[in-house]
Formats: sequence, C-alpha cells, structure tokens
Amino acid sequence: SAVISQKPSRDICQRGTSLTIQCQVDSQVTMMFWYRQQPGQSLTLIATANQGSEATYESGFVIDKFPISRPNLTFSTLTVSNMSPEDSSIYLCSVVGLAGDQETQYFGPGTRLLVL
Amino acid sequence: GESVGLHLPTLSVQEGDNSIINCAYSNSASDYFIWYKQESGKGPQFIIDIRSNMDKRQGQRVTVLLNKTVKHLSLQIAATQPGDSAVYFCAEKASGTYKYIFGTGTRLKVLA
Repeated sequence: SAVISQKPSRDICQRGTSLTIQCQVDSQVTMMFWYRQQPGQSLTLIATANQGSEATYESGFVIDKFPISRPNLTFSTLTVSNMSPEDSSIYLCSVVGLAGDQETQYFGPGTRLLVL
Repeated sequence: GESVGLHLPTLSVQEGDNSIINCAYSNSASDYFIWYKQESGKGPQFIIDIRSNMDKRQGQRVTVLLNKTVKHLSLQIAATQPGDSAVYFCAEKASGTYKYIFGTGTRLKVLA
C-alpha cells in the first residue's frame, strides 16, 4: 500500500482566513481524492484531484471554496478558503492503490482543522 | 479529544469475546466493499475487502460476510482486544466507478 503523509496534522485558524493542506504520496498514483469528516460523522468526498487539469467536485462543494492543485502524480493540495466555524473538520487525502490484485483506497492521517 | 465517533452507534464488547459489526449498504450495483478502522487521531485504515462474487473472506482475526440479497455486510473480529477499540466504517463501490460511499460508522469499545 502507498504511504501517505499530510501537512499540517492539525491547525487552529481564525474565521475569514484560508489554510492549505498538503498531501504527499511515496509513489506515483493515478487517483487522488480529498474527503471531509465532520465531527461525529462519516466521510464525505469533496473532490477528485486530477493531475494536469481542474479537480472534479462533488455536489455541494465548489472550487472557490476548496481550490485543489495536483501538479504531479505524488502531490496534491487542498485549500479551505474564507473559513468559518462550520469548516471545522478532519480533512483526509486518499489514493487508489493495490491490495493484492485489487485496486482499493488508502487514506492519509488527516488534518484536523478547528476554526474559531 | 478526538471528535470522531462521538455521535455514532456504539458496540461494547468484553475483551476476548467476538465482535460483530454490521453495515447495510445502499446500492445493489456495488460490487466491491471495504472495512476501515479509524483510531482516535488517525486516518481510516484498510482492514479487509470483499468482492461481490464472494460471500465470505477471512483475514487475521477478522472475517467479512456479504449478503447481497439483503444488501448487508458484516465484520467479525475474533478474540477482541483493547487495540481493536476504534470506529469502523464500511465502504461500497460500484463497478466502473472510482467513488466510494461510506457507511455511518460504528464505535467499538472493548471492556477490560
């Protein structure tokens, strides 16, 4: 499985500011995703990070609020823009890798964001 | 403290007993399923997966059962240990897509 790291691991931010989260994978991967996990909730897909083109956003998420970059096959960033307390969540990067002969999904450790 | 799992259904199990965590999935077209374990302060960790052409798969101390008739998935943990305490999520994926749909999660508490 791929080794995924995220920076920062946690942050406390003031409302109205923006935070950029980095995701680094130790091998080239085709598919990278960003998820949000609100307190006490399950995981919700924000977008698919596409290498060399604009990210594909899920319903309810827009590029102005969550701009994503993916300059190569091992790195992606997610920015949470103009933050409000409702953006307080865990943000998770994931990639598709192989488990035996089956493609499956692996997650990074997450970034814990608290917006005051 | 960690906020994941605060409002999730909880299963309490005595150490050494077997645990069974259940999941009802939504899409009859889903053909691949995963169980994840999420410990406090960590990202979801892959535990075991199963394809729709199987109804049972075993790993080390874990077994996943799939009942496609009633769209039900379960995770069985044998001889539950304190280190098994975590939130467990099921995830489903339909053939031809790359999107996973996650269940609501179950918090497993192991009692000493």
